[in-house]
Amino acid sequence: DVKVTQSSRYLVKRTGEKVFLECVQDMDHENMFWYRQDPGLGLRLIYFSYDVKMKEKGDIPEGYSVSREKKERFSLILESASTNQTSMYLCASSLLTGGSQPQHFGDGTRLSIL
Amino acid sequence: AQSVTQLGSHVSVSEGALVLLRCNYSSSVPPYLFWYVQYPNQGLQLLLKYTSAATLVKGINGFEAEFKKSETSFHLTKPSAHMSDAAEYFCAVNNAGNMLTFGGGTRLMVKP
Repeated sequence: DVKVTQSSRYLVKRTGEKVFLECVQDMDHENMFWYRQDPGLGLRLIYFSYDVKMKEKGDIPEGYSVSREKKERFSLILESASTNQTSMYLCASSLLTGGSQPQHFGDGTRLSIL
Repeated sequence: AQSVTQLGSHVSVSEGALVLLRCNYSSSVPPYLFWYVQYPNQGLQLLLKYTSAATLVKGINGFEAEFKKSETSFHLTKPSAHMSDAAEYFCAVNNAGNMLTFGGGTRLMVKP
C-alpha cells in the first residue's frame, strides 16, 4: 500500500511566522500535490510537482511556496502566516501517467494561525 | 476545462436504505473519474475509479458507480447503508493530465 505521511496532524502557529509542512511518500511516485480543504469549498490545489526541483502553481498559490529537493519529500511553506491560512492541508502523490492513476492522500495537517 | 458538480452537500439516509450520491462532470475529452471518501480528521481514501474499461465500477465497502456518457454522470450507490458509511464523499475528474478536479463534496449521514 502507498503510504503518504504528513509530519504533523495538528499545528498552531502565530501570524507572521514562517511555517513548514512536510510530506513524505514511500512509493517512488513522480507527482506530489498540496491541497487546502475548507468547509463548503472542497479541495483546492495550491501547488504540485512532477519531478525533483520542478513545481507548478495550482489554483491558489498566493502566500505559499514549495520545495522538492528529493523525490519522496514535498514541503509546503507559508512565508508569513496569516489568519486566513487557517485550514486543513492535504498532501497527495501519484504516478506520472496519463491521468488514470489515482492520487493517494496523507491524513492531513490541521493548521491554526493565531 | 474540466469541472465536477456534486448535487446535495448533505444527504441523510436510514440504516439499511439505498445510498445514492450524485456526480456530474464536464470534460472536453473522455475522462477518468474517481470517488473518494473522507472520514473525520483523516485524508481521502480511494473508493473506486473509472478508466474506460467497464461502465459499472465496483469499489470497496460495497460501493459501486456507473459511468453514463450521455448524462455525463458518475453517481455512487450502495444498496444498504451502514452506520460506518457516514463520511464525506468526493467525486473527481481527470482528463489525462496530472491534476484532479474535485467536486464540492457530499456529507452522508446515516440514521439508526
